Amino acid sequence: GAVVSQHPSWVICKSGTSVKIECRSLDFQATTMFWYRQFPKQSLMLMATSNEGSKATYEQGVEKDKFLINHASLTLSTLTVTSAHPEDSSFYICSARKQGPNTEAFFGQGTRLTVV
Amino acid sequence: GEDVEQSLFLSVREGDSSVINCTYTDSSSTYLYWYKQEPGAGLQLLTYIFSNMDMKQDQRLTVLLNKKDKHLSLRIADTQTGDSAIYFCAVSGTYKYIFGTGTRLKVLA
Repeated sequence: GAVVSQHPSWVICKSGTSVKIECRSLDFQATTMFWYRQFPKQSLMLMATSNEGSKATYEQGVEKDKFLINHASLTLSTLTVTSAHPEDSSFYICSARKQGPNTEAFFGQGTRLTVV
Repeated sequence: GEDVEQSLFLSVREGDSSVINCTYTDSSSTYLYWYKQEPGAGLQLLTYIFSNMDMKQDQRLTVLLNKKDKHLSLRIADTQTGDSAIYFCAVSGTYKYIFGTGTRLKVLA
């Protein structure tokens, strides 16, 4: 299958700072990328869907000013957690979908964010 | 909206078969996936099935799809202690994926 690389794998930051997480599709073009959040012992919650060159679509209850998503190219999407707080500590996972509807998606390995 | 449900826990003895079930509501789902997540790790794609298939077998893994009942299952033959993990099913809509609640599989030696 195709490879999606997520970076960093883990990050610790201080409250009030911002953290950027990158998601790259290494060997295919992804017009659509998804960002998920996973709380301990829970399922993955879809946060937002981003399409290359346009604004991300956020799921209900997700603060778009808090979680900034940029999808500037067909192989890169970034999630920036702004003014991070301890409650933002979580496991964030991205996935990238090949061009076209109803196509396969491939997942990054995830980023564990700890805000202290 | 779309809903994907799984039972939360499953416990089996080593060497037995495990069957993890998943039900979903979106009948337009095209791809249906099974992922494995070990503690502290990301998602590992185990297998997936296209909606025009009823069954797919891959070594110890067998996926069954009942589109009429919107039911997906994953059977792991000869379950090993290394299979202990959380298993998520995921179904694709036209533009996004929805994950199930996850089933925690515990394999007893």
